[in-house]
Parts: sequence; structure tokens; C-alpha cells
Amino acid sequence: ELKVEQNPLFLSMQEGKNYTIYCNYSTTSDRLYWYRQDPGKSLESLFVLLSNGAVKQEGRLMASLDTKARLSTLHITAAVHDLSATYFCAVGRAADGLTFGKGTHLIIQP
Amino acid sequence: DVKVTQSSRYLVKRTGEKVFLECVQDMDHENMFWYRQDPGLGLRLIYFSYDVKMKEKGDIPEGYSVSREKKERFSLILESASTNQTSMYLCASREPPKNIQYFGAGTRLSVL
Repeated sequence: ELKVEQNPLFLSMQEGKNYTIYCNYSTTSDRLYWYRQDPGKSLESLFVLLSNGAVKQEGRLMASLDTKARLSTLHITAAVHDLSATYFCAVGRAADGLTFGKGTHLIIQP
Repeated sequence: DVKVTQSSRYLVKRTGEKVFLECVQDMDHENMFWYRQDPGLGLRLIYFSYDVKMKEKGDIPEGYSVSREKKERFSLILESASTNQTSMYLCASREPPKNIQYFGAGTRLSVL
């Protein structure tokens, strides 16, 4: 059974600081997704990582994938309040849907 | 832009009622999914469909069924709603080749 673990599950940080969210998964997969969810809203796709060593960046967010370690990271650089949200990683299963982590609730304070 | 539309944002139903949650996508995607989201549990896959009239069980199908009569529409059915089915339900449509799933706005269902 595929398991996806995120940590931390809750993170409060100050604007301007850097931090990393970690996503570990238990079985081999070649697809790793990061989503953002704002309160009361649906999920928005942020990144798709399709191969070992893949790195994607968008603004202050950067995601990477190490398939050998079964680890993906989402790095936040110089955080700003607008990045406050819940971030989910999800691992693609061969024939069907996604298995999600429990999400990291991120609060960025001025 | 991909658009996934769920017919209701909020629903309140009584125990034992039959409940239909509707989802429509406008991108001719073959694959569609239903998840439920609960605090502390993340999203869990209920059912998915590869094509019209095809359906597969996900991780938590008990108490649910689905219908896919047309490619653009995927319905989730609660045959006899129970209080433990109170949750946020999210529909998604999958776009090849990267298999990104695009989500609807969600339906928050309360079963009383």
C-alpha cells in the first residue's frame, strides 16, 4: 500500500524566512505532484515532477524530486503572506488516482 | 483552462437519503475521480472512471457508487447517506500526458 507522509503538518513562519516542506513516499513512483489549497477553496496544481532529479520553480517556490530516496521537497524562499495556504504532495499510482499526504498548513506572519 | 464544475457547493441531507453529487468537465478528459477530504486525513480516493460506463473502486468505496453515462459527467451517489459521510467531496479530471488532475470547487456535504 502506497503511503505518503508530509512534514511538518503545521508550520508558522515569519515573512522573509526560508523553509522546506518534506514529502516521503513508500513505494516506487515516477510522478509527484504538489498542490496548494486556500481556505474554503479547491486544490490548485503547482508542480509536476516526472523524473529523478527534477526541479521546478515558480516565484518563491521550488520543488524537487529524488526518486531513489522517495523524497520530494517544496522550498519556500523569502516567504510572503500570500503564500499562506495548505500544501499537499501527491504521488501518482500506476493505473489510477493520486495518493495524497495529509497536507502542510502554512501560516506566514508579517 | 480546464474547467471542472461541481453542481453544489453546500448540501444538507438527512440520514438515509439518497444523495447525488454531480461533476462536469469541459476538456474531453477520459479519466475522472471522486475524492473526499477530511481534516487530518487529507484526500482519499473513492471511485474513478477511465471512460464512459467504466468505473473502478478507489481506496474507500464503501457506501458509495458512481455513474458515468457521458464522458463529461461523473456522478457520485450515496445510496443511503450516513453521518460519517459528512465531508468535503472533490471531483477531478485528469489531463494527459503529465496526468495532472484538475479539481472542482468541492461540495461540502452535511448529513444530519
